[in-house]
Amino acid sequence: SYELTQPPSVSVSPGQTARITCSGDVLTKQYVYWYQQKPGQAPIVVIYRDNQRPSGIPERFSASSSGTTVTLTITGVQAEDESDFYCQSTDSSGSLGLFGGGTKLTVL
Amino acid sequence: QVQLVQSGAEVKKPGSSVKVSCKAPGGAFSRSAITWVRQAPGQGLEWMGDIIPIFGSSSYAQRFQGRLTITADESTGTVYMELASLRSEDTSVYYCARGGHNTEYGMDVWGHGTTVTVSS
Repeated sequence: SYELTQPPSVSVSPGQTARITCSGDVLTKQYVYWYQQKPGQAPIVVIYRDNQRPSGIPERFSASSSGTTVTLTITGVQAEDESDFYCQSTDSSGSLGLFGGGTKLTVL
Repeated sequence: QVQLVQSGAEVKKPGSSVKVSCKAPGGAFSRSAITWVRQAPGQGLEWMGDIIPIFGSSSYAQRFQGRLTITADESTGTVYMELASLRSEDTSVYYCARGGHNTEYGMDVWGHGTTVTVSS
């Protein structure tokens, strides 16, 4: 089981908005990061420290939080966004990392 | 895109150990933490542990306690991940990444991954 819970899959049509949630009690106290992974590739960070976007990541990626749930939002989804997305944070001890189970984003 | 350089694929017998290396371009990790993450076939990412090379201090996920050792050789800018008592369930791609679980930019540079296959 995971301390961070994500939906296994999310599907959207091109141009629509995709929202991927990540829930966990630690998220009220710890930073959250989001990673995108395409098949056969290493992950890349698309959001760091809750809602910061690294240089080179498109503006259509954003994140927000409400209580124990954080949401990665992809506005105007493109075919190239089809990937697995993972939220990542720190466990309840504050010393160890953990990942959510991952969400497969399908662009219809 | 800068990448960390990892050692090559390994095939191991159950009960043996594997040691995977991770080297920074230019040979220095500076003050960055280095994290190890693994991914079993068709499965999600799993945080294993990390090290801050300049301090030599490591942290390990509870499920790997006693089997996992992460070390650093600052003279060569190389970090090592050694997993002992291998079983078939350890068959995975093992990644190293620059950054820790709560560092400013997250894990922002990754290695290409090292496939470890455990099979009799």
